[in-house]
Amino acid sequence: NAGVMQNPRHLVRRRGQEARLRCSPMKGHSHVYWYRQLPEEGLKFMVYLQKENIIDESGMPKERFSAEFPKEGPSILRIQQVVRGDSAAYFCASSPRDTPHYPSGNTIYFGEGSWLTVV
Amino acid sequence: GENVEQHPSTLSVQEGDSAVIKCTYSDSASNYFPWYKQELGKRPQLIIDIRSNVGEKKDQRIAVTLNKTAKHFSLHITETQPEDSAVYFCAATPPGGYQKVTFGIGTKLQVIP
Repeated sequence: NAGVMQNPRHLVRRRGQEARLRCSPMKGHSHVYWYRQLPEEGLKFMVYLQKENIIDESGMPKERFSAEFPKEGPSILRIQQVVRGDSAAYFCASSPRDTPHYPSGNTIYFGEGSWLTVV
Repeated sequence: GENVEQHPSTLSVQEGDSAVIKCTYSDSASNYFPWYKQELGKRPQLIIDIRSNVGEKKDQRIAVTLNKTAKHFSLHITETQPEDSAVYFCAATPPGGYQKVTFGIGTKLQVIP
């Protein structure tokens, strides 16, 4: 059972370019989360999605950032017109939907992360 | 929304000693509390978790305790080893279909050989 798959692992973009980060959740998982981590800092929540639905985007910057999780294919985190401050590790995580055994609070599993460097 | 506070932010212990990391949460409805370990340049990995119907859980050298009344939970690592050196994150999750996980700021643990 493959884990959460993220690509690319490392991405270098010049200021003003676009960055697209992809995340395929674990098999059977229908919830996807994106977190940003600056060097030496914690995990900052960005967005929580289910298939074709954004549940919570309260952590997303209002401009330049968008996320989607289409019916088919991976979840995409898109950053337009990148700036140096966007340089960070972006982690995707996934969790299964509620089950009768665990009606709440399922474990989330992280991907290996995508390291974005803006030059 | 939920707010999770974690301390200390850094912790140094001698190899073989115990390490304790503490977290508090604000939403009394939260009922699932996982702990993650993140080594440098790697992803956070789940090491232990506890649900609100349990007060304590152990797995070899690590244990987690939960005090629902006080809304705090702690990670205990005994007989620490150099490979325990990492950043540890606590988290809290509310019940229901919406499962937003809120993380603490992290504790950088250094085990000195």
